[in-house]
Amino acid sequence: AQSVTQPDIHITVSEGASLELRCNYSYGATPYLFWYVQSPGQGLQLLLKYFSGDTLVQGIKGFEAEFKRSQSSFNLRKPSVHWSDAAEYFCAVVGGFKTIFGAGTRLFVKA
Amino acid sequence: EPEVTQTPSHQVTQMGQEVILRCVPISNHLYFYWYRQILGQKVEFLVSFYNNEISEKSEIFDDQFSVERPDGSNFTLKIRSTKLEDSAMYFCASSEMGGSDTGELFFGEGSRLTVL
Repeated sequence: AQSVTQPDIHITVSEGASLELRCNYSYGATPYLFWYVQSPGQGLQLLLKYFSGDTLVQGIKGFEAEFKRSQSSFNLRKPSVHWSDAAEYFCAVVGGFKTIFGAGTRLFVKA
Repeated sequence: EPEVTQTPSHQVTQMGQEVILRCVPISNHLYFYWYRQILGQKVEFLVSFYNNEISEKSEIFDDQFSVERPDGSNFTLKIRSTKLEDSAMYFCASSEMGGSDTGELFFGEGSRLTVL
């Protein structure tokens, strides 16, 4: 069965520091992978997605993610975090007619 | 920019009451979904809907839940007899494609359900 694991429940980084959020997936075929962001009280917004091709994908707000099949990972990165990036981040994989979400990683940004 | 809209934004109900949550998906999308998120927990899949029928549902989506597309624009989630544990944020989503071709899901802002 498809599954997504986000090992870090929460992460705190300083503003201007780099960020990496981890995501591991379990899926039998080539996965369709996504990162979504959820600000408090809001819905989910797509940051980026991977379907095929270049394993390094660029998204909105300066985020990127790298698909590594050998590690079953799809980690999200940003070179310099802004205070407005504080939110919950969800990694997701498409399986059948549903998208399966990880448990989320809450990002805290300190000044 | 087209968006998914949900009503109500917040509903408080008594245990055992019926609740209907409404969603207007993006107009050219064909696949519709309901997800829920219990406070502080992960986003959980409930059901997907295509061509006027359920295409997939989770174990959470038991007999007390039902979905309907009563007209050309609305997509509803009905909970027949609410329980305390149904308290959650319910998100509607839609997508242009589905199945293994499912692309981006477009989410609404959510409907918060509080069962007392």
